[in-house]
Amino acid sequence: EAGVVQSPRYKIIEKKQPVAFWCNPISGHNTLYWYRQNLGQGPELLIRYENEEAVDDSQLPKDRFSAERLKGVDSTLKIQPAELGDSAVYLCASSLKYSGMSTDTQYFGPGTRLTVL
Amino acid sequence: AQSVSQHNHHVILSEAASLELGCNYSYGGTVNLFWYVQYPGQHLQLLLKYFSGDPLVKGIKGFEAEFIKSKFSFNLRKPSVQWSDTAEYFCAVNNASGGYNKLIFGAGTRLAVHP
Repeated sequence: EAGVVQSPRYKIIEKKQPVAFWCNPISGHNTLYWYRQNLGQGPELLIRYENEEAVDDSQLPKDRFSAERLKGVDSTLKIQPAELGDSAVYLCASSLKYSGMSTDTQYFGPGTRLTVL
Repeated sequence: AQSVSQHNHHVILSEAASLELGCNYSYGGTVNLFWYVQYPGQHLQLLLKYFSGDPLVKGIKGFEAEFIKSKFSFNLRKPSVQWSDTAEYFCAVNNASGGYNKLIFGAGTRLAVHP
């Protein structure tokens, strides 16, 4: 079974430039998560999708970040414009969640390491 | 708000030594608890999880963790570490009554095992 796929693995951009990250979850997983992991810290949730609906985006900085999950499968996270403080690893995870349950196992992708110069 | 503390940021051990990594959380309600591991160059993967029942949970590769509700702790243990256990370990919790798995992660503990 293929795991969560993310691309690109690494991205270096100059500040004020746009950047986009792509995630393909495990086949059949209805829930998709985007996390940001700063150096020396654990992952922090940015947004969660159930199918194509963003059900928790309270941690997403909406002035510059956007995300979409068309057709409830692949997802894209975009930053425009990027700032120096956006340098981090952006992780995608997916799970098969049953209604009302909080015990689903999240499977993580390898992440995209973003460096903003 | 929930938070997770992992008190040891770096741990260095020799092979065959015993391991215990601390994890404490702050939340008064019912929680689900997880330990994730990230081996060098690999992605985060689940090591073990606790939802209910026996507070001593066994995971992969000989790891176990004990949930002590009165201490708000979920420490990870392994009786004899191997060089291949070198990795970063993350404790995470969620609100079991929240209806979905919003994981709150600790800052992680880097474990280095020397032959």
